[in-house]
Amino acid sequence: AQRVTQPEKLLSVFKGAPVELKCNYSYSGSPELFWYVQYSRQRLQLLLRHISRESIKGFTADLNKGETSFHLKKPFAQEEDSAMYYCALSASNTGGFKTIFGAGTRLFVKA
Amino acid sequence: DTAVSQTPKYLVTQMGNDKSIKCEQNLGHDTMYWYKQDSKKFLKIMFSYNNKELIINETVPNRFSPKSPDKAHLNLHINSLELGDSAVYFCASKRGGASGTDTQYFGPGTRLTVL
Repeated sequence: AQRVTQPEKLLSVFKGAPVELKCNYSYSGSPELFWYVQYSRQRLQLLLRHISRESIKGFTADLNKGETSFHLKKPFAQEEDSAMYYCALSASNTGGFKTIFGAGTRLFVKA
Repeated sequence: DTAVSQTPKYLVTQMGNDKSIKCEQNLGHDTMYWYKQDSKKFLKIMFSYNNKELIINETVPNRFSPKSPDKAHLNLHINSLELGDSAVYFCASKRGGASGTDTQYFGPGTRLTVL
């Protein structure tokens, strides 16, 4: 079964502390993974995708196929990082691909 | 310039009514989606259209009927609204066909409240 699991509904850290948002997936094929972010009162937008191997706003995520994980990390959290974060998997489906989202993790960065 | 737009932004209506939400994208994308985000922020795909053709139809009550008059528009019509339909509905689009894995661009969402 294709599934994305984000075990933490809420993650609260202090400004300047490291942050790691966990994501595990279940997919038999070759995964295409994304992190999307939704800031307060804004639309959902792409943060990064594993295929790009890039760092956006200080965030990085490494695909670990052995552990089937795609955790999102940032060494020093900022208050403006407070948002809802969704891990997503693009999985093959009859007729094409569909994106499966995790339940989301709300990150709250305290001053 | 708005890339993916939805109207209305807010929709409050009574149970049993029929309502529509409109979505338009000016990105020239070929594939469009409707997602439902419930009160617990869980985001779930409902439908996907590619060049006006239905590609994905998740287990959604048939009171929900998407309509794509052209590839830039994907509207969602809901009949006989129920309390459980209250949610935020997001439209999204992406470049390429249904077999691609390109980034999706989301609309601002429509908050539907059924009383």
